[in-house]
Amino acid sequence: GENVEQHPSTLSVQEGDSAVIKCTYSDSASNYFPWYKQELGKGPQLIIDIRSNVGEKKDQRIAVTLNKTAKHFSLHITETQPEDSAVYFCAASIESNFGNEKLTFGTGTRLTIIP
Amino acid sequence: EPEVTQTPSHQVTQMGQEVILRCVPISNHLYFYWYRQILGQKVEFLVSFYNNEISEKSEIFDDQFSVERPDGSNFTLKIRSTKLEDSAMYFCASSESGRSYEQYFGPGTRLTVT
Repeated sequence: GENVEQHPSTLSVQEGDSAVIKCTYSDSASNYFPWYKQELGKGPQLIIDIRSNVGEKKDQRIAVTLNKTAKHFSLHITETQPEDSAVYFCAASIESNFGNEKLTFGTGTRLTIIP
Repeated sequence: EPEVTQTPSHQVTQMGQEVILRCVPISNHLYFYWYRQILGQKVEFLVSFYNNEISEKSEIFDDQFSVERPDGSNFTLKIRSTKLEDSAMYFCASSESGRSYEQYFGPGTRLTVT
């Protein structure tokens, strides 16, 4: 089955700097890669996703890049703010015509923004 | 904005007891999921459900677990005889058919088995 590795496990950056979180996946059939933000005591919140037919997607300060050949995708947060502090999870899935299959999550990155 | 809701937020039960965790998915969604997260660990898939039947289940989802959509709005996870290792956060998620396949998660139910 799919295995998703995520690095680093913890990341501290100064407010205003950029943060990068990296994930690799093992199943070449995976074609959908969401990123979730989890704040303390809450459920994972979808923040951005990318499908395998594109290499990069951006939404304001957040961007995701995908390298299908290397089976590698990354989350980039620019101009970080204190409210970006949270645990971030990457995930991989196979989209089919019938809907998503299960999400396989990475181990999470605890991001701390230092004011 | 529509959201997935879950009840209760926290459930404490004794080992061997049955628990039912409840979820109300987003109203126009057709695919439903349960995941769990043991404290400090990654989120793990348990089961997916579509058209009133299980689509896929993980090895965690053994005979003590069952899911049901008893009416048009609720989606439940039942654990028949809880074990200490069932203590975790349980998240319900739903996704829409068609162009959008994003899974939206509820706030979770913290299950504590004593």
